[in-house]
Amino acid sequence: EDQVTQSPEALRLQEGESSSLNCSYTVSGLRGLFWYRQDPGKGPEFLFTLYSAGEEKEKERLKATLTKKESFLHITAPKPEDSATYLCAVGANQAGTALIFGKGTTLSVSS
Amino acid sequence: NAGVTQTPKFRVLKTGQSMTLLCAQDMNHEYMYWYRQDPGMGLRLIHYSVGEGTTAKGEVPDGYNVSRLKKQNFLLGLESAAPSQTSVYFCATRTSGRGEQYFGPGTRLTVT
Repeated sequence: EDQVTQSPEALRLQEGESSSLNCSYTVSGLRGLFWYRQDPGKGPEFLFTLYSAGEEKEKERLKATLTKKESFLHITAPKPEDSATYLCAVGANQAGTALIFGKGTTLSVSS
Repeated sequence: NAGVTQTPKFRVLKTGQSMTLLCAQDMNHEYMYWYRQDPGMGLRLIHYSVGEGTTAKGEVPDGYNVSRLKKQNFLLGLESAAPSQTSVYFCATRTSGRGEQYFGPGTRLTVT
């Protein structure tokens, strides 16, 4: 069964304190690993897609990496505006390539 | 460019009432999806469509029906609402080539 597990569930950081979010997955035929950001009361906002082990993508203070079993979202010197829930998802090899989501990591960054 | 829009934004229903949620997109995307998001459960796929006139069941389809009569619209219907359908509903779209999906702002539905 395809599955995505994110850890930790919640993370509190001080402004400037770098850290990483983990996404481990089991899927029969990976069709992309996706990271989204979700603010309260809003829809998920696309951040990155990774397709093969070793691939890395960066955007501002965020960097996503991928191995054969997990992905990391590294946050360097975070700011309060980075506070949000970060969702990880894998593309399923069925159902019109629907996304299978983890439960998310809620990040809070205080100044 | 509005992207993906959803109507209504909020709705309260009584048990047994029916309603239709509308998703509209102006990106000319082939694929459209309906998800529900519940606390502690993550996003789960209800139904999806790979093109105009086609629909298929996802992970949690019971109690819902869908239609895709026009490429730009994907409707989600609840024939007889139940309290278990209290949730936030998201529509998403993607092109046939790239994998990422683009989400609408959501509809918050409460069934009493």
